[in-house]
Amino acid sequence: GENVEQHPSTLSVQEGDSAVIKCTYSDSASNYFPWYKQELGKGPQLIIDIRSNVGEKKDQRIAVTLNKTAKHFSLHITETQPEDSAVYFCAASRGGSQGNLIFGKGTKLSVKP
Amino acid sequence: DVKVTQSSRYLVKRTGEKVFLECVQDMDHENMFWYRQDPGLGLRLIYFSYDVKMKEKGDIPEGYSVSREKKERFSLILESASTNQTSMYLCASSPNPGLAGANEQFFGPGTRLTVL
Repeated sequence: GENVEQHPSTLSVQEGDSAVIKCTYSDSASNYFPWYKQELGKGPQLIIDIRSNVGEKKDQRIAVTLNKTAKHFSLHITETQPEDSAVYFCAASRGGSQGNLIFGKGTKLSVKP
Repeated sequence: DVKVTQSSRYLVKRTGEKVFLECVQDMDHENMFWYRQDPGLGLRLIYFSYDVKMKEKGDIPEGYSVSREKKERFSLILESASTNQTSMYLCASSPNPGLAGANEQFFGPGTRLTVL
């Protein structure tokens, strides 16, 4: 069935360094790829998303890249800050669905001051 | 701002009890979803609904049912709770897909259910 693989499962960086999280998906019909951030005790919140007609999107310190041929997409966070510490989930839309998403298993990012 | 609220943040139930988890959204979204979140397994879709009185099974529907009598409310029901249903339950809502495809899902804060 459809699947989204996410790596790494944990990531520890020094404040100011960059962090990269990578995901691959299996459904060729996926055309929407959101990234969610989940802080402790809260529900996931969208931080950036990209659609299949775009290769890269940037929002301040956060960027997402998409390679449709290889079926992978990545989240890049530059100049990391302690408040970036959280669990990050990638997701891909299911082809032909009513907006359903398949989620990766999550990456726990720790930014050390 | 979109708001998705869930009836309880924490819930403790006994094995065999019938459990209701309620979710309400205030943005007139057509689609609503129930997920469970377990360490190392990410978010797994239990059930979803794209209209009042409509429901579809997700990836792990066994042991659960749902109800959507009003557009803004989506309930998850555990007919006979078991210990392996101890988990964090997340509700989400989204508008219908547009011409560009699927849209953002907005999540509630979650209900941590413990079944003893």
